[in-house]
Parts: sequence; C-alpha cells; structure tokens
Amino acid sequence: AQSVTQLGSHVSVSEGALVLLRCNYSSSVPPYLFWYVQYPNQGLQLLLKYTSAATLVKGINGFEAEFKKSETSFHLTKPSAHMSDAAEYFCAVSDQGFQKLVFGTGTRLLVSP
Amino acid sequence: NAGVMQNPRHLVRRRGQEARLRCSPMKGHSHVYWYRQLPEEGLKFMVYLQKENIIDESGMPKERFSAEFPKEGPSILRIQQVVRGDSAAYFCASSPRVLAGTSGAGELFFGEGSRLTVL
Repeated sequence: AQSVTQLGSHVSVSEGALVLLRCNYSSSVPPYLFWYVQYPNQGLQLLLKYTSAATLVKGINGFEAEFKKSETSFHLTKPSAHMSDAAEYFCAVSDQGFQKLVFGTGTRLLVSP
Repeated sequence: NAGVMQNPRHLVRRRGQEARLRCSPMKGHSHVYWYRQLPEEGLKFMVYLQKENIIDESGMPKERFSAEFPKEGPSILRIQQVVRGDSAAYFCASSPRVLAGTSGAGELFFGEGSRLTVL
C-alpha cells in the first residue's frame, strides 16, 4: 500500500524566509507525487507534480520540489515566503496505473510579517 | 470552463436524517472521486466512480454510505441516518480519461467541498 508522511503539522516562517515542507513516501511501484494547497474553506489546488520526468519540479507561485528516490522524499520549497502563502499543504502519492491519490495529513504554513 | 461544482456548500442535519451531497465534474471529465476531511486531518479516499460504475469503494464505510454517478446528472454521495461522527468536509474531485503512465495520470481537480454538520 502506498502512503505519505508529512513531518510537522505546523510550520512557521517569517515573510521572506525559506519555506521547507517535508514529505516522505512509501510505494512499492514508481510513484507519481503531488503537492496540493488548500486555502481556508476552499478545495485543493494543484501546486506541482512529479511524474517520473525531471526530478526537480517547478510549480505555481514560486514553489518547487525535488524527488529523491534514495531518501524516498519529495520536499516542497520556496526561497522566499509571502504572506499569501499561508495555507495548508498536502503531499499525495499515486501509482502510475491508478488515479486514486493517497494524501498525507497536511502541514499548515504560517507566515508572520 | 467551470470547475468541479459541489452543492450544497454547507449542510446541517440532525442525527438520524439523511444527507445528500452532489458533485458535477468538470466538463469532459468522466471520473469522479469522493474524499472526506475530518477536522485537523488529511483527506481520506472514499470512492472512485466512472459513469454508471463504481470502480473502487474501498474507503467507504460499510453501512449508511452510498455513492452513484448516473449516466445523466451529477454524482451523489448519500449518507443515511447520519451521526455526529459524520460531521466533516466532503470533497469531490474529477479527472479526464487519461492513459496510465502518462503525464496527466493521477491529477485530480477538486471542488470547494460540502461541509456537513450533524447536530
């Protein structure tokens, strides 16, 4: 069975600081990996996805993530946090042949001025 | 192009009543997924449907919950005899028909959710 683990239910950064949200996955087959963002009382929006092409994936709003097979990780980063980045971020995994996504428990990003 | 539409956005029910949540997928999408989000938790997969077929219902509780995606009309998630533990946000997502292993595989488009409160 596939799963993802997101370390840290809450991450606090100052505006302008580096954002690092951690995600480790478990999969018996080459995975597809996703990061979604959820703003309060809204649905999930895709930030970026890894589908076995380039290991460094760039997404929207300046976010990027790097797939590291040796570490089974897919951490999300952004060089400089903005107040508008405050939201909940979910890492998800699926196998290539099936479209069911398995989500982590989420990390709430807090950005202070 | 409208996104995934869910209604109602908010629903209040008393214990023992029925809740019906509707989801209209994006135009051209033939796959629908329902997820449940409990407070302070991630999204838990419930069911995956294509038109007139349930593909995977491994996440559905065995009793009181059912889902359908008829040939015409929206997908419906039905919860009978609701209990307080059913209070949650229910999200619908849709995807187009894509080939497994292609770059589009696995990407889901989410609605804004239906928030069920059971009194």
